Amino acid sequence: DGGITQSPKYLFRKEGQNVTLSCEQNLNHDAMYWYRQDPGQGLRLIYYSQIVNDFQKGDIAEGYSVSREKKESFPLTVTSAQKNPTAFYLCASNRRDSMNTEAFFGQGTRLTVV
Amino acid sequence: AQSVAQPEDQVNVAEGNPLTVKCTYSVSGNPYLFWYVQYPNRGLQFLLKYITGDNLVKGSYGFEAEFNKSQTSFHLKKPSALVSDSALYFCAVRDIRRGFQKLVFGTGTRLLVSP
Repeated sequence: DGGITQSPKYLFRKEGQNVTLSCEQNLNHDAMYWYRQDPGQGLRLIYYSQIVNDFQKGDIAEGYSVSREKKESFPLTVTSAQKNPTAFYLCASNRRDSMNTEAFFGQGTRLTVV
Repeated sequence: AQSVAQPEDQVNVAEGNPLTVKCTYSVSGNPYLFWYVQYPNRGLQFLLKYITGDNLVKGSYGFEAEFNKSQTSFHLKKPSALVSDSALYFCAVRDIRRGFQKLVFGTGTRLLVSP
């Protein structure tokens, strides 16, 4: 089955640690996205990538980094510079060549700082 | 910039009654509008989209949405609510800048359907 896989489902981070969230898709989509979800704030865009080896900052990129070395993979690193990383993180993908196609989402990773 | 607004944090409806979840949009050019649903601790699932054509769009699980250009609205509707429809609903609009496209989401509306 085609889809997006995020791992792990739950992640605990100590203060000062960097952690990496995995996102893999087998939909052959060029575009991939990372969103952060906090209660009452909807989804906010962290980073997005339209093609391999290229990515753009979203609205809340500070304290995060990404890479796009393969079409299928778009990992997100939450660095120690992110002051309030506890949130639900969602990865998504869609076709790059069309405005009218829907995005597909992974099941999310819940990150908690302990 | 393109944006959407969901004016209600929560909507309560009794099972069997019709439901409406509101969304208004602000866009330049043609709007590409979407509705997604999220169950607890899960990702978002696509429900339906408006691109062009008929103002009444039908989607998954019996949901439909009405596009109203004069009121800049894209309300989600269902004729008869089920308890299993209880979830968080997001309206979204596609934005494109400098050749890069992304989805911009509203803040979400929690739908609670009581038995």
